[in-house]
Amino acid sequence: GAVVSQHPSWVICKSGTSVKIECRSLDFQATTMFWYRQFPKQSLMLMATSNEGSKATYEQGVEKDKFLINHASLTLSTLTVTSAHPEDSSFYICSARDLANNEQFFGPGTRLTVL
Amino acid sequence: ELKVEQNPLFLSMQEGKNYTIYCNYSTTSDRLYWYRQDPGKSLESLFVLLSNGAVKQEGRLMASLDTKARLSTLHITAAVHDLSATYFCAVRSGYALNFGKGTSLLVTP
Repeated sequence: GAVVSQHPSWVICKSGTSVKIECRSLDFQATTMFWYRQFPKQSLMLMATSNEGSKATYEQGVEKDKFLINHASLTLSTLTVTSAHPEDSSFYICSARDLANNEQFFGPGTRLTVL
Repeated sequence: ELKVEQNPLFLSMQEGKNYTIYCNYSTTSDRLYWYRQDPGKSLESLFVLLSNGAVKQEGRLMASLDTKARLSTLHITAAVHDLSATYFCAVRSGYALNFGKGTSLLVTP
């Protein structure tokens, strides 16, 4: 089956620093990738839709200058949390849409803790 | 705006019992998904339901879809402890998925 990886799987950083999270589709091409955020005991909330070669589309209430998304190739999207603060601590999950069958496959998630 | 409601949000059940989780959604969609999430983990795909009347079964779990009622159910038969997890339904809107709040299931001896 289609595999999506994320790196790193967990990261701890100091308040004010920036953190980059990578999402890769390993065995398929994905023109569209999605970034979700999940706080403890809550559901997944879509943050943004990442489109290869174009600007990302952000959901209402998500700061585009804080959460920078780059989708430079058909297999890689990155999310950079700039000037991270403790309230950004969360579980970030990406998914990638397989062009072949129009299905989404989820990555294993990245646990971000901001001290 | 597509809304997805799940109930119950919390479910504690004894091993061997049956129960159903419900998922209602507010607008038409071509696909409904059920996922399982274990603590600290990402989502595990359980079922994809594509059409009205679709029924899929895997082990002790069976999912069904009624597109006219905009309702999907996830039925648990003879629950075992290994089924303890959080279960999410999600409905596709465009290419993105809208998730329900999840049902936290605890199966006790």
